[in-house]
Amino acid sequence: GAGVSQSPRYKVAKRGQDVALRCDPISGHVSLFWYQQALGQGPEFLTYFQNEAQLDKSGLPSDRFFAERPEGSVSTLKIQRTQQEDSAVYLCASSLVSLTGVSDNEQFFGPGTRLTVL
Amino acid sequence: SQKIEQNSEALNIQEGKTATLTCNYTNYSPAYLQWYRQDPGRGPVFLLLIRENEKEKRKERLKVTFDTTLKQSLFHITASQPADSATYLCALPMTTDSWGKLQFGAGTQVVVTP
Repeated sequence: GAGVSQSPRYKVAKRGQDVALRCDPISGHVSLFWYQQALGQGPEFLTYFQNEAQLDKSGLPSDRFFAERPEGSVSTLKIQRTQQEDSAVYLCASSLVSLTGVSDNEQFFGPGTRLTVL
Repeated sequence: SQKIEQNSEALNIQEGKTATLTCNYTNYSPAYLQWYRQDPGRGPVFLLLIRENEKEKRKERLKVTFDTTLKQSLFHITASQPADSATYLCALPMTTDSWGKLQFGAGTQVVVTP
């Protein structure tokens, strides 16, 4: 694939429903990040994977948020019992190097999933 | 983490002029600073990285400066074109020891009119 893909692009959920957001990173990219972007704001860090290991989940807003990357490629962000404040764009980004690499550390972002909780 | 401030008001500029955006941070000096471009409905796209020991970096019509004393980065788009219209985000590592975990500013919208 040419870039990072995310699905679905749009998701409408009723309050209390569970949702799962998928991210397909660029093949071979070691690092994968999830961000949450509210309208008019910059992306906010949620969690980070290096291969299949979730090394940092300090940005997840509550225990209703869960992310996994079981085989070190595709990642899923799951939100349980969605609330209206979860409405945002969820961005996935991948990067070639690990956190300790010295490079431009360019992160390649997907188009995002816009989640609307009614 | 840092407090990152970018111009909240949109920057309206005439084609051919230079657009200058600011990014100010408040706490520790980061090892580097990145600039991204974001178009509506799309994810951010990486433009430039400047390291703490670099004062200036250029890429085509883009120029970034980094002043660790002022805790400020300036982002310049020279000979601006309508296609440069977008929101520009600055990003810094969240802590002194995190290379990849980024904290973003809210971004500045640039509108270039013909």
